[in-house]
Amino acid sequence: AQSVAQPEDQVNVAEGNPLTVKCTYSVSGNPYLFWYVQYPNRGLQFLLKYITGDNLVKGSYGFEAEFNKSQTSFHLKKPSALVSDSALYFCAVSSGYSSASKIIFGSGTRLSIRP
Amino acid sequence: SAVISQKPSRDICQRGTSLTIQCQVDSQVTMMFWYRQQPGQSLTLIATANQGSEATYESGFVIDKFPISRPNLTFSTLTVSNMSPEDSSIYLCSVDGRNEQFFGPGTRLTVL
Repeated sequence: AQSVAQPEDQVNVAEGNPLTVKCTYSVSGNPYLFWYVQYPNRGLQFLLKYITGDNLVKGSYGFEAEFNKSQTSFHLKKPSALVSDSALYFCAVSSGYSSASKIIFGSGTRLSIRP
Repeated sequence: SAVISQKPSRDICQRGTSLTIQCQVDSQVTMMFWYRQQPGQSLTLIATANQGSEATYESGFVIDKFPISRPNLTFSTLTVSNMSPEDSSIYLCSVDGRNEQFFGPGTRLTVL
């Protein structure tokens, strides 16, 4: 069975500093990995995905994520945080060998950027 | 990308009643998914709905409580039956796209 873990409930970063939101996964076969962001009272927005290829994936709003197979991790990063990045972030993994498969979400990490 | 709309966007319901949530997609899709997000929690998959077949439910969810319809490739409904306050959640539908899933805006349900 697949699973995904986000070990931090909350991450606090000063504006302008780099940020990292951690994610580890467990899945049989090749993983499809995703990051989504949820702003207050808004729907879930897709940030980026890893399917295959380069381990460093670049996504929306300046975010990137690094796939590390040996550590089964897919941490979300941004070189310089903005106050507007404050939101709830979800890591997710897709099962099987097709993208048309159910997605399992992590518990979420609340990112708070202080001015 | 797919544009997904849900109706209603929010509702307040009485205990013991049922609510049907509609999900409309602007393109034909094979698979549609229904998720629940309880207050302060992550998203939990309720069921997967393919057109022309019965929905597949995840552990902990049953058809009698969450009946789903999928009459065509652009539409699905989820009914929350015999509601209790524990059913207060955001319910989201999503569809499979090209290597990712797209999510609707969600239906915020409050059960009194």
